[in-house]
Amino acid sequence: EAGVVQSPRYKIIEKKQPVAFWCNPISGHNTLYWYLQNLGQGPELLIRYENEEAVDDSQLPKDRFSAERLKGVDSTLKIQPAELGDSAVYLCASSLEYYNEQFFGPGTRLTVL
Amino acid sequence: AQKVTQAQTEISVVEKEDVTLDCVYETRDTTYYLFWYKQPPSGELVFLIRRNSFDEQNEISGRYSWNFQKSTSSFNFTITASQVVDSAVYFCALSPGGTSYGKLTFGQGTILTVHP
Repeated sequence: EAGVVQSPRYKIIEKKQPVAFWCNPISGHNTLYWYLQNLGQGPELLIRYENEEAVDDSQLPKDRFSAERLKGVDSTLKIQPAELGDSAVYLCASSLEYYNEQFFGPGTRLTVL
Repeated sequence: AQKVTQAQTEISVVEKEDVTLDCVYETRDTTYYLFWYKQPPSGELVFLIRRNSFDEQNEISGRYSWNFQKSTSSFNFTITASQVVDSAVYFCALSPGGTSYGKLTFGQGTILTVHP
């Protein structure tokens, strides 16, 4: 069974440019999470989806970050415009339901120059 | 607010040594869940264990064991007879119960290096 797929794995952009990350969860998983992991830190939850509904986006900086999961399957996280401080690894995770174990993808490492 | 503290930033051991990774948590919830994840160099966090706040039984899985003590708000992880493949970053995490379950708060992680 395929795990959580994320692309791209690496992205280098200049500040003020837009960037988007894509996540395809494990088939059949209804809950999807986006996390931000700064260097030397643990992941921090940005947003959680139950199917296509964002049920917890309290940690998402909405002035520049947006996310969508239109058909309740794959998801896209966007930053516009990117800032130097956005350099980090963006992790996606999924679970069968919110009360089940979370499976993580390999992450997208973003570098903003 | 929930908080997880992993005071050990880095640990270095020689193969076959036992090593314990410490985790201390803070929460006001009566129902909560504790987790350990392993993050190898490939980057994917790998789930190791979940415990709920009502189950203080220690758990052993092969060379891994976990000691949960509510009295000290600790959930420590021991690797017995460490191996080079155990080298990774280990994260302890905390989740509320109920409908907020899954909103994980992670510690800062402990980098474990096992030398041959």
